[in-house]
Amino acid sequence: AQSVSQHNHHVILSEAASLELGCNYSYGGTVNLFWYVQYPGQHLQLLLKYFSGDPLVKGIKGFEAEFIKSKFSFNLRKPSVQWSDTAEYFCAVNRGTNAGKSTFGDGTTLTVKP
Amino acid sequence: GAGVSQSPRYKVAKRGQDVALRCDPISGHVSLFWYQQALGQGPEFLTYFQNEAQLDKSGLPSDRFFAERPEGSVSTLKIQRTQQEDSAVYLCASSPDLSNTEAFFGQGTRLTVV
Repeated sequence: AQSVSQHNHHVILSEAASLELGCNYSYGGTVNLFWYVQYPGQHLQLLLKYFSGDPLVKGIKGFEAEFIKSKFSFNLRKPSVQWSDTAEYFCAVNRGTNAGKSTFGDGTTLTVKP
Repeated sequence: GAGVSQSPRYKVAKRGQDVALRCDPISGHVSLFWYQQALGQGPEFLTYFQNEAQLDKSGLPSDRFFAERPEGSVSTLKIQRTQQEDSAVYLCASSPDLSNTEAFFGQGTRLTVV
């Protein structure tokens, strides 16, 4: 069974700091990768996704992620965070194009101090 | 509405009680998914519908869990004889077509079994 690890459970940053959230998965075959964000009191929203092609994926709100196949990683980055980025971030993986049937990590809570 | 709607938002059930959770997907969306999210964890896949057909129910934790989507739109997740370990947020997601490259999530129903 595939699994997804998000090593940072809680990250606290000041505004304008750079962000990198780690995500590693266990499955060795072809995978599709996603990052979701959940702002306080809101539903899960897709930040970005990788299916194939350029391993550096750009998403909404200035976020990007890099797929490194040899490291089984899909880390999320943002050069300069804002207070409004305070949220919980989930990495997810699936083995087909079925985005709805994904294996999620346990999430990373990001707190950005103004 | 524009998004996936779930009701009720909160449900408290006494142990042994049956509950029914409702999901209204985005109008016209073909695919529908249910997830269970325990406190401090990521969502875990329960089941998947394509129109009215339940194509995958591999994630349902026991035969006390039952889901249906009889007319290919609204779906109901039913839990019989609830137990404390069923306490979680139940998320519904829908996808517009069979490629399922993006899933849109509802805000979830928080079930507390006392």
